[in-house]
Amino acid sequence: DAGVIQSPRHEVTEMGQEVTLRCKPISGHNSLFWYRQTMMRGLELLIYFNNNVPIDDSGMPEDRFSAKMPNASFSTLKIQPSEPRDSAVYFCASSQNRESFWQPQHFGDGTRLSIL
Amino acid sequence: DQQVKQNSPSLSVQEGRISILNCDYTNSMFDYFLWYKKYPAEGPTFLISISSIKDKNEDGRFTVFLNKSAKHLSLHIVPSQPGDSAVYFCAASDPFGNEKLTFGTGTRLTIIP
Repeated sequence: DAGVIQSPRHEVTEMGQEVTLRCKPISGHNSLFWYRQTMMRGLELLIYFNNNVPIDDSGMPEDRFSAKMPNASFSTLKIQPSEPRDSAVYFCASSQNRESFWQPQHFGDGTRLSIL
Repeated sequence: DQQVKQNSPSLSVQEGRISILNCDYTNSMFDYFLWYKKYPAEGPTFLISISSIKDKNEDGRFTVFLNKSAKHLSLHIVPSQPGDSAVYFCAASDPFGNEKLTFGTGTRLTIIP
Protein backbone atom coordinates (compact mmCIF):
# COMPACT_ATOMS: atom_id res chain seq x y z
CA ASP A 1 0.00 0.00 0.00
CA ALA A 2 1.23 3.48 -0.82
CA GLY A 3 1.82 5.58 2.24
CA VAL A 4 1.44 9.32 2.65
CA ILE A 5 3.32 11.01 -0.19
CA GLN A 6 4.88 14.43 0.23
CA SER A 7 6.61 16.61 -2.33
CA PRO A 8 9.11 18.02 -2.69
CA ARG A 9 11.43 16.16 -0.29
CA HIS A 10 13.76 19.14 -0.13
CA GLU A 11 13.17 22.80 -0.91
CA VAL A 12 15.72 25.58 -0.79
CA THR A 13 14.55 29.06 -1.64
CA GLU A 14 15.28 32.67 -0.91
CA MET A 15 13.53 34.76 1.66
CA GLY A 16 10.40 36.41 0.32
CA GLN A 17 9.57 33.66 -2.17
CA GLU A 18 6.35 31.66 -2.10
CA VAL A 19 6.71 28.05 -1.02
CA THR A 20 4.13 25.33 -1.69
CA LEU A 21 4.31 21.94 -0.01
CA ARG A 22 2.15 19.10 -1.27
CA CYS A 23 0.64 16.01 0.30
CA LYS A 24 -1.29 12.99 -0.93
CA PRO A 25 -2.88 11.11 1.98
CA ILE A 26 -3.45 7.38 2.13
CA SER A 27 -6.48 6.40 0.06
CA GLY A 28 -9.55 6.03 2.24
CA HIS A 29 -8.21 8.19 5.05
CA ASN A 30 -10.51 11.06 5.89
CA SER A 31 -8.31 13.12 8.23
CA LEU A 32 -5.18 15.00 7.22
CA PHE A 33 -2.67 16.80 9.40
CA TRP A 34 0.20 19.22 8.76
CA TYR A 35 3.05 19.34 11.30
CA ARG A 36 6.28 21.27 11.60
CA GLN A 37 9.33 19.81 13.32
CA THR A 38 12.01 21.98 14.89
CA MET A 39 14.73 21.19 17.40
CA MET A 40 13.31 23.53 19.99
CA ARG A 41 9.62 22.66 19.79
CA GLY A 42 9.55 19.14 18.42
CA LEU A 43 6.50 18.24 16.35
CA GLU A 44 3.87 20.97 16.29
CA LEU A 45 0.46 20.56 14.71
CA LEU A 46 -0.22 23.40 12.30
CA ILE A 47 -3.65 22.49 10.96
CA TYR A 48 -5.85 19.48 10.40
CA PHE A 49 -8.72 18.61 8.10
CA ASN A 50 -11.53 16.13 8.42
CA ASN A 51 -13.44 15.20 5.26
CA ASN A 52 -11.59 18.05 3.48
CA VAL A 53 -12.85 20.66 5.96
CA PRO A 54 -10.35 22.52 8.18
CA ILE A 55 -11.16 21.64 11.79
CA ASP A 56 -8.40 23.30 13.78
CA ASP A 57 -5.89 25.82 12.43
CA SER A 58 -4.84 27.24 15.79
CA GLY A 59 -1.28 26.06 15.22
CA MET A 60 -0.75 28.06 12.03
CA PRO A 61 1.95 30.57 13.02
CA GLU A 62 0.65 33.61 11.17
CA ASP A 63 -1.16 34.84 8.10
CA ARG A 64 1.79 33.98 5.90
CA PHE A 65 0.78 30.34 6.25
CA SER A 66 -2.26 28.87 4.51
CA ALA A 67 -3.47 25.34 3.82
CA LYS A 68 -6.05 23.89 1.49
CA MET A 69 -7.58 20.50 0.83
CA PRO A 70 -9.53 20.75 -2.43
CA ASN A 71 -10.32 17.03 -2.48
CA ALA A 72 -9.80 13.85 -0.49
CA SER A 73 -6.52 12.99 -2.19
CA PHE A 74 -4.59 16.26 -2.12
CA SER A 75 -3.57 19.03 0.24
CA THR A 76 -1.18 21.98 0.07
CA LEU A 77 0.57 24.08 2.67
CA LYS A 78 1.66 27.47 1.38
CA ILE A 79 4.02 30.03 2.90
CA GLN A 80 3.99 33.50 1.35
CA PRO A 81 6.27 35.33 1.83
CA SER A 82 8.76 32.88 3.31
CA GLU A 83 11.23 33.87 6.05
CA PRO A 84 14.41 32.17 7.34
CA ARG A 85 12.64 31.23 10.60
CA ASP A 86 10.28 29.05 8.58
CA SER A 87 13.15 26.64 7.93
CA ALA A 88 12.11 23.27 9.36
CA VAL A 89 10.90 19.83 8.35
CA TYR A 90 7.22 19.81 7.47
CA PHE A 91 5.27 16.56 7.82
CA CYS A 92 1.91 15.56 6.50
CA ALA A 93 -0.03 12.74 8.18
CA SER A 94 -3.35 11.06 7.56
CA SER A 95 -5.68 8.77 9.47
CA GLN A 96 -9.00 7.03 9.13
CA ASN A 97 -11.16 8.60 11.77
CA ARG A 98 -14.08 6.50 12.92
CA GLU A 99 -16.39 7.35 15.79
CA SER A 100 -16.14 3.94 17.34
CA PHE A 101 -12.39 3.50 17.46
CA TRP A 102 -9.23 5.44 17.34
CA GLN A 103 -6.67 5.11 14.55
CA PRO A 104 -3.01 6.20 14.65
CA GLN A 105 -1.79 8.83 12.24
CA HIS A 106 0.44 7.74 9.36
CA PHE A 107 3.18 10.18 8.43
CA GLY A 108 4.88 11.01 5.16
CA ASP A 109 8.65 11.34 4.97
CA GLY A 110 8.51 15.12 5.22
CA THR A 111 9.72 18.13 3.28
CA ARG A 112 12.95 19.71 4.51
CA LEU A 113 12.55 23.44 3.88
CA SER A 114 15.47 25.86 3.96
CA ILE A 115 14.85 29.58 3.53
CA LEU A 116 18.02 31.53 2.83
CA ASP B 1 3.62 25.90 27.16
CA GLN B 2 4.79 22.33 26.59
CA GLN B 3 1.98 20.04 27.69
CA VAL B 4 3.94 16.88 26.85
CA LYS B 5 7.53 16.79 28.00
CA GLN B 6 10.37 14.45 27.27
CA ASN B 7 13.12 15.73 29.54
CA SER B 8 15.89 13.49 28.24
CA PRO B 9 17.02 14.62 24.79
CA SER B 10 19.20 11.53 24.42
CA LEU B 11 19.81 8.09 25.90
CA SER B 12 22.45 5.45 25.24
CA VAL B 13 21.89 1.80 26.13
CA GLN B 14 23.94 -1.33 25.65
CA GLU B 15 22.54 -3.88 23.21
CA GLY B 16 20.52 -6.53 25.02
CA ARG B 17 19.74 -4.31 27.99
CA ILE B 18 16.47 -2.54 28.79
CA SER B 19 15.80 0.92 27.36
CA ILE B 20 13.42 3.12 29.34
CA LEU B 21 12.12 6.31 27.77
CA ASN B 22 10.10 8.70 29.88
CA CYS B 23 7.37 11.22 29.20
CA ASP B 24 5.47 13.61 31.47
CA TYR B 25 2.29 15.51 30.73
CA THR B 26 0.46 18.36 32.39
CA ASN B 27 -3.03 18.21 30.88
CA SER B 28 -5.22 15.96 33.03
CA MET B 29 -7.76 15.75 30.19
CA PHE B 30 -5.43 13.64 28.06
CA ASP B 31 -6.97 10.18 27.72
CA TYR B 32 -4.92 8.46 25.04
CA PHE B 33 -1.16 8.21 24.73
CA LEU B 34 1.09 7.05 21.93
CA TRP B 35 4.72 6.46 21.13
CA TYR B 36 6.13 7.09 17.68
CA LYS B 37 9.56 6.12 16.41
CA LYS B 38 11.48 8.14 13.84
CA TYR B 39 14.50 7.26 11.75
CA PRO B 40 16.55 10.00 10.01
CA ALA B 41 15.01 11.32 6.78
CA GLU B 42 11.79 9.41 7.42
CA GLY B 43 8.47 10.29 8.97
CA PRO B 44 7.48 9.09 12.45
CA THR B 45 5.89 5.64 12.58
CA PHE B 46 3.39 4.53 15.16
CA LEU B 47 4.81 2.12 17.74
CA ILE B 48 2.41 1.51 20.60
CA SER B 49 -0.44 3.23 22.42
CA ILE B 50 -2.33 3.12 25.70
CA SER B 51 -5.71 4.30 26.83
CA SER B 52 -6.11 6.06 30.17
CA ILE B 53 -8.29 3.21 31.42
CA LYS B 54 -5.23 0.95 31.41
CA ASP B 55 -1.90 1.15 33.17
CA LYS B 56 0.08 -1.15 30.91
CA ASN B 57 0.10 -2.25 27.29
CA GLU B 58 2.54 -4.72 25.81
CA ASP B 59 3.49 -5.53 22.22
CA GLY B 60 6.43 -7.85 21.80
CA ARG B 61 9.57 -6.19 23.09
CA PHE B 62 7.73 -2.92 23.72
CA THR B 63 5.71 -2.09 26.83
CA VAL B 64 4.15 1.22 27.73
CA PHE B 65 3.30 2.03 31.35
CA LEU B 66 0.93 4.79 32.41
CA ASN B 67 0.84 6.37 35.87
CA LYS B 68 -2.12 8.74 35.81
CA SER B 69 -1.64 10.09 39.30
CA ALA B 70 1.91 11.12 38.43
CA LYS B 71 0.95 12.15 34.87
CA HIS B 72 3.81 10.03 33.65
CA LEU B 73 4.27 7.36 31.04
CA SER B 74 7.25 5.31 30.03
CA LEU B 75 8.25 3.07 27.16
CA HIS B 76 10.29 -0.03 27.93
CA ILE B 77 12.19 -1.84 25.21
CA VAL B 78 13.65 -5.19 26.16
CA PRO B 79 15.95 -6.50 24.93
CA SER B 80 17.28 -3.45 23.09
CA GLN B 81 18.55 -4.03 19.56
CA PRO B 82 20.68 -1.86 17.24
CA GLY B 83 17.67 -1.29 14.99
CA ASP B 84 15.95 0.44 17.91
CA SER B 85 18.33 3.40 17.54
CA ALA B 86 15.99 6.25 16.57
CA VAL B 87 14.19 9.27 17.96
CA TYR B 88 11.13 8.40 20.04
CA PHE B 89 8.22 10.81 20.38
CA CYS B 90 5.58 10.64 23.05
CA ALA B 91 2.15 12.02 22.09
CA ALA B 92 -1.20 12.53 23.78
CA SER B 93 -4.78 13.33 22.84
CA ASP B 94 -7.83 14.48 24.75
CA PRO B 95 -11.50 13.63 24.11
CA PHE B 96 -12.30 17.23 23.24
CA GLY B 97 -9.48 17.71 20.76
CA ASN B 98 -10.93 15.35 18.19
CA GLU B 99 -7.89 13.66 16.71
CA LYS B 100 -5.45 16.36 17.69
CA LEU B 101 -2.15 14.99 19.01
CA THR B 102 0.24 16.92 21.24
CA PHE B 103 3.81 15.70 20.83
CA GLY B 104 6.86 15.90 23.06
CA THR B 105 10.22 17.07 21.73
CA GLY B 106 11.60 13.54 21.38
CA THR B 107 14.37 11.40 22.88
CA ARG B 108 17.22 10.13 20.71
CA LEU B 109 17.95 6.52 21.66
CA THR B 110 21.30 5.02 20.70
CA ILE B 111 21.86 1.30 21.16
CA ILE B 112 25.53 0.48 21.60
CA PRO B 113 26.54 -2.88 20.08
